[in-house]
Amino acid sequence: GAGVSQSPSNKVTEKGKDVELRCDPISGHTALYWYRQSLGQGLEFLIYFQGNSAPDKSGLPSDRFSAERTGGSVSTLTIQRTQQEDSAVYLCASSRAADTQYFGPGTRLTVL
Amino acid sequence: AQKITQTQPGMFVQEKEAVTLDCTYDTSDPSYGLFWYKQPSSGEMIFLIYQGSYDQQNATEGRYSLNFQKARKSANLVISASQLGDSAMYFCAMRGNNAGNMLTFGGGTRLMVKP
Repeated sequence: GAGVSQSPSNKVTEKGKDVELRCDPISGHTALYWYRQSLGQGLEFLIYFQGNSAPDKSGLPSDRFSAERTGGSVSTLTIQRTQQEDSAVYLCASSRAADTQYFGPGTRLTVL
Repeated sequence: AQKITQTQPGMFVQEKEAVTLDCTYDTSDPSYGLFWYKQPSSGEMIFLIYQGSYDQQNATEGRYSLNFQKARKSANLVISASQLGDSAMYFCAMRGNNAGNMLTFGGGTRLMVKP
């Protein structure tokens, strides 16, 4: 079946602009996760959605970052007023409840 | 808090030989899961193998096996009969069952397979 998809695959933006990154999880997966992979920080957890429960936002680095998940499926990660340190690959993963997480191809964000 | 340590930033292995990638972990959760992912140069994270903390036997998936030593808090990945396509970054990760379902990752090991 189809895996996790993310769009865009690459995004170049100017400092101070807002960006939206999209994730389509595997059909039937109730849990969705966002991670960030950067050279300096490795792989970091950002936010986690499980069904209709309130999301776990404990990994979001600042209030410029937010995410929503509509209809228990598609998720959008929004970064407001982007900074150069936001440049990274943003990875989305999904799973059935607490099972193995399967990752999408990522969105490479470059902030100039 | 959970921590994953991968002490080998880079490793070489000859094609067709076996290689062990090290992973040690620290957690206060009595129940947890350990994962290995492969990340080729294309960037996608590919799930390889899973070991639960209460599993009695070491996990195996084809050429991948996990050498789980609970008392030593280690979960080393063994790749048998290395192939050129195994060249990639390998990440060890942990999920603490009482600490939310997010994964904590190690810094990764870059494996290079020589022909």
